[in-house]
Amino acid sequence: QQQVKQSPQSLIVQKGGIPIINCAYENTAFDYFPWYQQFPGKGPALLIAIRPDVSEKKEGRFTISFNKSAKQFSLHIMDSQPGDSATYFCAASEPSGYALNFGKGTSLLVTP
Amino acid sequence: DTGVSQNPRHKITKRGQNVTFRCDPISEHNRLYWYRQTLGQGPEFLTYFQNEAQLEKSRLLSDRFSAERPKGSFSTLEIQRTEQGDSAMYLCASSFLGNEQYFGPGTRLTVT
Repeated sequence: QQQVKQSPQSLIVQKGGIPIINCAYENTAFDYFPWYQQFPGKGPALLIAIRPDVSEKKEGRFTISFNKSAKQFSLHIMDSQPGDSATYFCAASEPSGYALNFGKGTSLLVTP
Repeated sequence: DTGVSQNPRHKITKRGQNVTFRCDPISEHNRLYWYRQTLGQGPEFLTYFQNEAQLEKSRLLSDRFSAERPKGSFSTLEIQRTEQGDSAMYLCASSFLGNEQYFGPGTRLTVT
């Protein structure tokens, strides 16, 4: 079964808006939570990742918020641009650190 | 380009034929992973190597699938007696000890 649940399935925002993508998990053994960006015909590209010892991490325009008690984490894209239009995947893995468990993805469209 | 490379990028084959894909990881990355991605879904873990040892295989990896990583460098994924359900994007990723996995561009397989 899907170990990481991602929402929404698709999202449309205007340029400059702040799209928010949410993920939830059940496995409390997960300790690594990355986000990937994927353009059509390309492989996923690692954007940003977080571990449960912090509640927020920022890298450029991308921010992860993490709520350990709720077992939820989210990606915020500040000042979104049309070039950010892509599919975004959240994932999670256990300390053994091999298999990434991916969400189903969110298709983001940023309109000019 | 020092990223993960995969060949071929596209493969069309007839049902029942065997196919082999190659992955060249980022140099000095000792961990190598194979995933499968179908349309509208996130990548699903298939198998994992640390150096030349295959340490984990998903239940998705049927007996028709075999992967090798001779000498701990490049890896090959072979599918025997292909079925239409094998049509997917096959992704390779690599990492150095930790969790950060970097993906290649993938091999798109179409089984007719």
